[in-house]
Amino acid sequence: QVQLVESGGGVVQPGRSLRISCAVSGFTFNTYAMHWVRQAPGKGLEWVGVIAYDGSSRFYADSVKGRFTISRDNAKNTLYLQMDSLRTEDTAVYYCARGLPYESSGYLTLWGQGTLVTVSS
Amino acid sequence: DIQMTQSPSTLSASVGDRVTITCRASQRISSWLAWYQQKPGKAPKLLIFQASTLESGVPSRFSGSGSGTEFTLTISSLQPDDFATYYCQQYNSYSESFGPGTKVEIK
Repeated sequence: QVQLVESGGGVVQPGRSLRISCAVSGFTFNTYAMHWVRQAPGKGLEWVGVIAYDGSSRFYADSVKGRFTISRDNAKNTLYLQMDSLRTEDTAVYYCARGLPYESSGYLTLWGQGTLVTVSS
Repeated sequence: DIQMTQSPSTLSASVGDRVTITCRASQRISSWLAWYQQKPGKAPKLLIFQASTLESGVPSRFSGSGSGTEFTLTISSLQPDDFATYYCQQYNSYSESFGPGTKVEIK
């Protein structure tokens, strides 16, 4: 069964860090680019960034560049999002999503259920 | 960065209506455009990619068209399950972006 399951969300103070994860099953993880997309409460979708299938390249939205880092462990079929210097405006549901095979830019074919990150003092 | 706009932001329609949503890109993106459907509390679902290719399993009442900077999503006969929010997404560059969404409501 194809599945993407995010975890690690919670409440964190402004300026602090948090790492969320996305465990993948049911497809060949190490052949697909993987994306993070977020959605602030009551708002639209915002693309956060992408990591190549082999981790060789990463691209980020300007709003998170320099603060967020995407990584992956292909041996563990797991995607990560390290979020540093968090701001209140980073409060959102964070979705991991499968991109295309071997291509870092593309549409998103499968999505996880999301994990809520709340940045508040 | 490429900016995406959608119109209308909200659309009221009845079951059986033909519905059209427009998406515009701030620069040419060829046909590198996808459409997603999202229902409250759920993850988005891919409907269409490459502007007009229907994702497997998506009903044929959904169709997409356009290229360059202007695109449309059409639902030929709105069904009760189609009341949701629809987003376009460009993937022309390594800085992808979504439109602000169009909410389709029951009239």
